[in-house]
Amino acid sequence: DTEVTQTPKHLVMGMTNKKSLKCEQHMGHRAMYWYKQKAKKPPELMFVYSYEKLSINESVPSRFSPECPNSSLLNLHLHALQPEDSALYLCASSQTPGSSLWGAFGSGTRLTVV
Amino acid sequence: GQQVMQIPQYQHVQEGEDFTTYCNSSTTLSNIQWYKQRPGGHPVFLIQLVKSGEVKKQKRLTFQFGEAKKNSSLHITATQTTDVGTYFCAGPNSGGSNYKLTFGKGTLLTVNP
Repeated sequence: DTEVTQTPKHLVMGMTNKKSLKCEQHMGHRAMYWYKQKAKKPPELMFVYSYEKLSINESVPSRFSPECPNSSLLNLHLHALQPEDSALYLCASSQTPGSSLWGAFGSGTRLTVV
Repeated sequence: GQQVMQIPQYQHVQEGEDFTTYCNSSTTLSNIQWYKQRPGGHPVFLIQLVKSGEVKKQKRLTFQFGEAKKNSSLHITATQTTDVGTYFCAGPNSGGSNYKLTFGKGTLLTVNP
């Protein structure tokens, strides 16, 4: 089991839908991350939040909108996605931004866009 | 930009055989991390190596970090079917910050019982 909780575990959405992915951690970590992982590929960084502020956006399309309401929560709002956006979306956290010891990945949300 | 190369891409072994995956970075790394991802699962952090020449063991797994801190290996002794999965190495970006990890492409290990 992981200490980073993601919901939902699975999501099927149409290209016109709006949905949100949620991530929660109670380890007191101050850096939180969104990664995208396509099948048989390594995770790719999307966003980094540092002390609840967006610090890195890896040129992610605007149809993905991250939000960090507080130090324990991270959301990823989805709108007008494309079928090629289907992937495993992973949330992760670490003690502090740039800390030498990593935290954990959540179990992910498997997203299918139809 | 920084590249992290991992070989082999696939490895199939008989149960009881040993397994090794290798990771090489184009730049010196401040640390290297290893993850395991079971089929259908999510990456699980295994270990982080920080010191030049460091060797760490976790039961049947042995992790090494090269003297130049540009390469690393994961060795599994006497594989079991529970070892099946993809093993990824990952290193922080060239700035040294763990903000951004560069992952190797992973080695998929399958074990024949």
